[in-house]
Amino acid sequence: TQLLEQSPQFLSIQEGENLTVYCNSSSVFSSLQWYRQEPGEGPVLLVTVVTGGEVKKLKRLTFQFGDARKDSSLHITAAQPGDTGLYLCAGPQPSNTGKLIFGQGTTLQVKP
Amino acid sequence: NAGVMQNPRHLVRRRGQEARLRCSPMKGHSHVYWYRQLPEEGLKFMVYLQKENIIDESGMPKERFSAEFPKEGPSILRIQQVVRGDSAAYFCASSMTDTEAFFGQGTRLTVV
Repeated sequence: TQLLEQSPQFLSIQEGENLTVYCNSSSVFSSLQWYRQEPGEGPVLLVTVVTGGEVKKLKRLTFQFGDARKDSSLHITAAQPGDTGLYLCAGPQPSNTGKLIFGQGTTLQVKP
Repeated sequence: NAGVMQNPRHLVRRRGQEARLRCSPMKGHSHVYWYRQLPEEGLKFMVYLQKENIIDESGMPKERFSAEFPKEGPSILRIQQVVRGDSAAYFCASSMTDTEAFFGQGTRLTVV
């Protein structure tokens, strides 16, 4: 059972469009992280959301943590080719083992 | 502060040889994760270690693969008698607790 479900899995859009990526679970998470991975590189941490309902902005990226802390979304405004990459959400396993678990990722391609 | 350091960045092995992948976590981090990534795919969890202990190895093949995180020195992922199917990018991440893991740049293993 995948504890963190990301959707969509693949997204191909034109430069300038807006998009939203979702990370959903039936479990409550104490926090969720978002990472971006560019080809040939390791994932880079973008943000951590901790409080239910929290919204964080990073330039054109807006991250939201659901009120019930079971889901999160990443919204990109006016996407640019530099936003191309694999976006991953992650969170501590609810059984409190200390282990981080990851969603399967959303591959975003932004065409010029 | 140095980030998570993985070496080598690229490793070529002939079938049947051993591959040793090293990961030095960020200073102060006692949690280490290893992930495998095939081309165009997401991260697949392999093993989660804390200093001198394997906490969760549920994602690691039972045969030929082993991991350690000694009291001193880097974490090592060892693959014995490599086969072509072991060719992949292997990423290490470290964290202080069960949140905000930071990734290395990966080791790309090619088995010829």
